[in-house]
Amino acid sequence: AQTVTQSQPEMSVQEAETVTLSCTYDTSESDYYLFWYKQPPSRQMILVIRQEAYKQQNATENRFSVNFQKAAKSFSLKISDSQLGDAAMYFCAYWSGNSGDKLTFGTGTRLAVRP
Amino acid sequence: NAGVTQTPKFQVLKTGQSMTLQCAQDMNHNSMYWYRQDPGMGLRLIYYSASEGTTDKGEVPNGYNVSRLNKREFSLRLESAAPSQTSVYFCASSAPWGGERQPQHFGDGTRLSIL
Repeated sequence: AQTVTQSQPEMSVQEAETVTLSCTYDTSESDYYLFWYKQPPSRQMILVIRQEAYKQQNATENRFSVNFQKAAKSFSLKISDSQLGDAAMYFCAYWSGNSGDKLTFGTGTRLAVRP
Repeated sequence: NAGVTQTPKFQVLKTGQSMTLQCAQDMNHNSMYWYRQDPGMGLRLIYYSASEGTTDKGEVPNGYNVSRLNKREFSLRLESAAPSQTSVYFCASSAPWGGERQPQHFGDGTRLSIL
């Protein structure tokens, strides 16, 4: 079974600075997708960014980018120019076609942004 | 476009009471899911339904029952609520994933407290 590990329960960053959230995963599959979800206090699950395992290029969405290291099974999220609105829980998630359309989530990292 | 709608948004129960959480999606998705979210545990799959008329256990099914009433609706029932079931519950839905930005669409969650 796939597992997703987020080893940082909490992180803090100064406004306008850069922060990196870590995620590692374990799988025996070669074709899969990885996601970062943001959950603000409103509880909505908001997709931040996704990465297809077959793509070598790291995904980027505005201020959000990932460092995808397939061999190391590592998928970190970098937030540049942090804003107060970035404060939230962030979840790393894994999906593959062999998992019955089921997502496997990490335990989350709570990000605080200091003004 | 409402997406995935969960009712109620909040509920307080006494130990031993029963409760049904409702979920409906208007995206014509085949698959639907129920998750629970607990501090430090991420989202864990309770039950899922790959199609109308089928349901399967997820990671934490004990104490719950589900009904896939039709293609739109997937309900979660607690027959005899226990304090350990205090949690935030999320419903999600998905189509066979082939190009959308995200594999699952989430509702806004139900905060359930059991005293």
